[in-house]
Amino acid sequence: GAGVSQSPSNKVTEKGKDVELRCDPISGHTALYWYRQSLGQGLEFLIYFQGNSAPDKSGLPSDRFSAERTGGSVSTLTIQRTQQEDSAVYLCASSLDFRGELFFGEGSRLTVL
Amino acid sequence: DQQVKQNSPSLSVQEGRISILNCDYTNSMFDYFLWYKKYPAEGPTFLISISSIKDKNEDGRFTVFLNKSAKHLSLHIVPSQPGDSAVYFCAASGKYGGATNKLIFGTGTLLAVQP
Repeated sequence: GAGVSQSPSNKVTEKGKDVELRCDPISGHTALYWYRQSLGQGLEFLIYFQGNSAPDKSGLPSDRFSAERTGGSVSTLTIQRTQQEDSAVYLCASSLDFRGELFFGEGSRLTVL
Repeated sequence: DQQVKQNSPSLSVQEGRISILNCDYTNSMFDYFLWYKKYPAEGPTFLISISSIKDKNEDGRFTVFLNKSAKHLSLHIVPSQPGDSAVYFCAASGKYGGATNKLIFGTGTLLAVQP
């Protein structure tokens, strides 16, 4: 498809398990962002990739969170030893460059029991 | 530390009237502002933007106003339509001296346009 694709769309896991969320950005977009939206909250910045530059990880809430972007395209957000407070919708977005309009995926809803 | 604030969690207006959504920011380094719209179970979609060199940008029924001295921007929708009912997020970014330029979002305002 032409848009940002995220998988899985829904994930239910048990506390303490690891999860991986995947994002396929729009082809040719050099910038990729991860945000999360907890219940009743705004969009919280997590991490930002721009081309070959070092990612901006300043929004990652703890060292249980990590992300990588392989080949400048697909990105995976990994949450280790999940906690209930990690429950949220995780949104990925891409843009043509660091000033471009962000195109969001539909998000991955994570529920930690 | 909420750098972008939307103090009204919800707003209800009648169809055909004007909707005014407000946003305040604290970081004077922000120089680019955007509004995104989000329907349930969908990702946010870009609506309109404004650079700090302007104080107004208009696109059809949507107009964004920027008051840099007050660190305030607003989105006007006129006339409002029922299809405009959604959550509206204000976002800001700025040059931090490097290539990174992440968008900081507000908490959103739920707009309900009553037929």
